[in-house]
Amino acid sequence: DAKTTQPPSMDCAEGRAANLPCNHSTISGNEYVYWYRQIHSQGPQYIIHGLKNNETNEMASLIITEDRKSSTLILPHATLRDTAVYYCIAGYSTLTFGKGTMLLVSP
Amino acid sequence: NAGVTQTPKFRILKIGQSMTLQCTQDMNHNYMYWYRQDPGMGLKLIYYSVGAGITDKGEVPNGYNVSRSTTEDFPLRLELAAPSQTSVYFCASSYFYLGQQSPDTQYFGPGTRLTVL
Repeated sequence: DAKTTQPPSMDCAEGRAANLPCNHSTISGNEYVYWYRQIHSQGPQYIIHGLKNNETNEMASLIITEDRKSSTLILPHATLRDTAVYYCIAGYSTLTFGKGTMLLVSP
Repeated sequence: NAGVTQTPKFRILKIGQSMTLQCTQDMNHNYMYWYRQDPGMGLKLIYYSVGAGITDKGEVPNGYNVSRSTTEDFPLRLELAAPSQTSVYFCASSYFYLGQQSPDTQYFGPGTRLTVL
C-alpha cells in the first residue's frame, strides 16, 4: 500500500463543510483511495472510495486530483456526530491504516 | 442481519495464558481480516483470509494463529499471551470476486479489548 499523509487534527463548525486533505504521492496505478472513519473506539466505518474520478455518495464526496497524488474528503454539512478519526488509505485488497485525522465538529 | 460479531467484548489475561477471539459474519463474505489497534495508533493487519481454508499473514502476525474452516467464522488464537499483545482487536469482512472492479468495502466488528497483565 502507498503511504498517505494527513493532518493530525482539524476543527469544523456544525453545519459547515468539512474538507479533509490527504497526500498519497506514491500511489500506484491499481491502488484505490479509500476513506474510513472511526467514532470513539468503535470499529471503522467505510465512507467512500475512488480510483480516478470524483465520487459522491449519501455520506460524502471524494475529490481526487488529476495526477492522483492527493485527494480531499468533503462532508458537506458536518454534524456533531461526524466527530471522529478519519483515515485515508491508498491500497487494493489489504488496507494500511495510518493515524488519520481527528475531526472535531463544534456547535 | 447481524453483520460482523466478535466475542468477548473485554478480556484480561495473565502472561503466558492462551485464548481465542471469535469472529463471525453472516453476509456470506469471502474475505475476512484481523486487525489490532494500539492506543492512539491506526489499525495494523494481523492475518487475513480469502476464503475457507486459505489464510495469509499481514503486517504483525507474530504471536497469533488463525484458521478458516467455514465461510462465516475466522477465530484468532493467542498462544502464550504477552503484555505487548494488550490492544483492541477488530475483525472485518468483505466480498471480492475475480474481475470485480475494486475490492468491496470492509465491514468491521465492534472489537475485543484485551489486556495482558
